[in-house]
Amino acid sequence: QLQLQESGPGLVKPSETLSLTCPVSGGSIDRNSYYWGWIRQPPGKGLEWIGSIYYDGSTYYNPSLERRVTISVDTSKNQFSLKLTSVTAADTAVYYCTRHVRVLEWVGYMDVWGKGTTVTVSS
Amino acid sequence: EIVLTQSPVTLSLSPGERATLSCRASQSFSTTYLAWYQQKPGQAPRLLIHGASSRATGIPDRFSGSGSGTDFTLTISSLEPEDSAVYYCQQCGGALTFGGGTKVEIK
Repeated sequence: QLQLQESGPGLVKPSETLSLTCPVSGGSIDRNSYYWGWIRQPPGKGLEWIGSIYYDGSTYYNPSLERRVTISVDTSKNQFSLKLTSVTAADTAVYYCTRHVRVLEWVGYMDVWGKGTTVTVSS
Repeated sequence: EIVLTQSPVTLSLSPGERATLSCRASQSFSTTYLAWYQQKPGQAPRLLIHGASSRATGIPDRFSGSGSGTDFTLTISSLEPEDSAVYYCQQCGGALTFGGGTKVEIK
């Protein structure tokens, strides 16, 4: 059974870079049926798509975050990663890594989710 | 960007009752691109429905999805106590977006 588990610092200072990694266990990241992505949820609020990546390195980002986000994939380690630069308190959230089913050659719905990791932006 | 508006914000019903949750889109898109998720406190969301009406693996048949164009519905035919959660619709017809959620409370 495929499992995802976010890892990274739980506290990041304002203006610095948030970095998270998501190792994929129980399956291979280079399956052509799936994309891999990041979703976040601020405290008490709804869900926001950050971006997604295909195993070949093709990336797709939320336009509202695009200039600060980089998602990368390492097929040799079977994992993918998120970097978010110039963070502020508004980036405080639970961050989830997800698997997206490929729908008509596009990033589709999320069928597997990590448990989530809380990242707080504070000095 | 496609904006999804969910209603009602909160739904309070008794066990055995029928719950009808609405998701309205700012522009039309294919049913292929509409999904529903359930999120319980402290947990990650769980996929319920994809393609507007296809149940995900292991989802009880009391959950059903319908709709097309700009109007989509999630129906829980007979509420169980464990259905207390927040439900989100999500579209992937372009940049992925989510609705604001409907909280279902069981009396």
